[in-house]
Amino acid sequence: EDQVTQSPEALRLQEGESSSLNCSYTVSGLRGLFWYRQDPGKGPEFLFTLYSAGEEKEKERLKATLTKKESFLHITAPKPEDSATYLCAVQAPGNQFYFGTGTSLTVIP
Amino acid sequence: DTAVSQTPKYLVTQMGNDKSIKCEQNLGHDTMYWYKQDSKKFLKIMFSYNNKELIINETVPNRFSPKSPDKAHLNLHINSLELGDSAVYFCASARGFPNEQFFGPGTRLTVL
Repeated sequence: EDQVTQSPEALRLQEGESSSLNCSYTVSGLRGLFWYRQDPGKGPEFLFTLYSAGEEKEKERLKATLTKKESFLHITAPKPEDSATYLCAVQAPGNQFYFGTGTSLTVIP
Repeated sequence: DTAVSQTPKYLVTQMGNDKSIKCEQNLGHDTMYWYKQDSKKFLKIMFSYNNKELIINETVPNRFSPKSPDKAHLNLHINSLELGDSAVYFCASARGFPNEQFFGPGTRLTVL
């Protein structure tokens, strides 16, 4: 069965302490991998799309990378405003979408 | 000029009632979705419409019925509400491929 697993479930960082979030998937025929950010009480906000192994995308302090089995979201020198839940989703053939359960990130000043 | 809007934001109702959630997008997108997010924050796709045509219909009780009067609207009607239907429901829209989805603010449904 197609699955998306994110780790860690929760992450606490000091401001400026860089780290990475992981998203591993078992979907066959990946059409795209998406990263979203979700703030409490709000809908997910789109961050990145990755299509093929080796691809990288960057936005401010965030950088997403993709291999054949997983994706990483690297956060460089995070700030408190980066605190949120980060969700990974994969698009399979047939327009199916599967979301991971997310990583809750807290950045402490 | 909200991109994807949902009404109502909160919905509290009794078991057995019928309720609807409305969704509208002003992005000109062709595809719209309904998701359910449970208490553990897991997002699960329920339905997807492309140009008013149903293209994804996950294993969802037939008490849930989506209706798309036009490309900009996708409403969700729920019959005979049950306790387990309590969740946050998100509407989303996307244009073609890639399906970078834009989400609405969510509707928190509480069934008592």
